[in-house]
Amino acid sequence: SQQGEEDPQALSIQEGENATMNCSYKTSINNLQWYRQNSGRGLVHLILIRSNEREKHSGRLRVTLDTSKKSSSLLITASRAADTASYFCATAYTGGFKTIFGAGTRLFVKA
Amino acid sequence: GAGVSQSPRYKVAKRGQDVALRCDPISGHVSLFWYQQALGQGPEFLTYFQNEAQLDKSGLPSDRFFAERPEGSVSTLKIQRTQQEDSAVYLCASSLRGSLYEQYFGPGTRLTVT
Repeated sequence: SQQGEEDPQALSIQEGENATMNCSYKTSINNLQWYRQNSGRGLVHLILIRSNEREKHSGRLRVTLDTSKKSSSLLITASRAADTASYFCATAYTGGFKTIFGAGTRLFVKA
Repeated sequence: GAGVSQSPRYKVAKRGQDVALRCDPISGHVSLFWYQQALGQGPEFLTYFQNEAQLDKSGLPSDRFFAERPEGSVSTLKIQRTQQEDSAVYLCASSLRGSLYEQYFGPGTRLTVT
């Protein structure tokens, strides 16, 4: 029943490399958000991109949104071991109150 | 200020028992969400409050699930006659206003039904 889908499901990289995660969704959205979840912890908001925006940056994070393809990507540059976590995209679709999360990408950064 | 808090952090219930999970949102946040997260999955939307009004309860899996936020701040999620399939982490989040703004999540309550 989850709307968003992330890919890849899991990603393992070396410290210092870049990590790219993709998210696809199905209906019109107001915004798309990315969250991080460390093992056994609550979710932490990373970045929000509105439907009329195409790209947004925050520190080492870069998010793009392509509403024509109903997809978004999250790029983490110069990854660190502390970036090891699960990353979720979440969509707030127009005309409702729900936020729909994907199944997540599990990122493992090796020191 | 303080973030979103949830209690208890862990709850073990015998099948058939009723449980009540509490969420204290960030002061001043109008919106409150409840989610259910199964192991290895993303959070699944359960219900949404704007102040004390429950505007969307479409994600509640059955009529055994009930949520309230009577004074527009603290919220309680109640599960009656718990079943094994209710075992999950229940997350609460609050935001300034709805899904148009980032949500701040609590640490969750891990419910295990035996």
